[in-house]
Amino acid sequence: RKEVEQDPGPFNVPEGATVAFNCTYSNSASQSFFWYRQDCRKEPKLLMSVYSSGNEDGRFTAQLNRASQYISLLIRDSKLSDSATYLCVVKRNDYKLSFGAGTTVTVRA
Amino acid sequence: EAGVAQSPRYKIIEKRQSVAFWCNPISGHATLYWYQQILGQGPKLLIQFQNNGVVDDSQLPKDRFSAERLKGVDSTLKIQPAKLEDSAVYLCASRTGGNEKLFFGSGTQLSVL
Repeated sequence: RKEVEQDPGPFNVPEGATVAFNCTYSNSASQSFFWYRQDCRKEPKLLMSVYSSGNEDGRFTAQLNRASQYISLLIRDSKLSDSATYLCVVKRNDYKLSFGAGTTVTVRA
Repeated sequence: EAGVAQSPRYKIIEKRQSVAFWCNPISGHATLYWYQQILGQGPKLLIQFQNNGVVDDSQLPKDRFSAERLKGVDSTLKIQPAKLEDSAVYLCASRTGGNEKLFFGSGTQLSVL
């Protein structure tokens, strides 16, 4: 089983739609969780950290469910510029980072 | 603020040849990482440095890959000899000690023919 698993998508949504996807992790002792965004042929960039109580950053909402070992990302009012691959990143209890393979989102006009 | 610098941007070599990549992290960032990203996959850690010391190289194929960060600043990653399966983007990232945010360079896209 992979340490971090993501639905690869692609999620193809119209502008203004809401899209949500999950990431599951295998190490129950994982400490920290992040979403990174990677545009086509570009480097990953931190989108947001994921806190235990859930957190929002504008149109983006991240949730953590430790009991079921998954995190989620929800994008409201999708923009064309949200088209990207979203990488789930988990910091294990040995402080090592594990990246998921990414979920591709395409927002169409 | 200057970002993480990497060179070259692209490299095409034949199998069994050697290649080297260079990375200059953000000034003051003690932790430096080299990742390999194969198309369609997430970045895979090759090696992590803390200043000039190796913290984690458990996934580095040491028979062909080597990396150094002699003065605790810039770093080089070398592959010798290259194999077809080494075709990937090699990403360098850095961060400060008190911040978990990784800053990535633009990467070096390697094609092994």
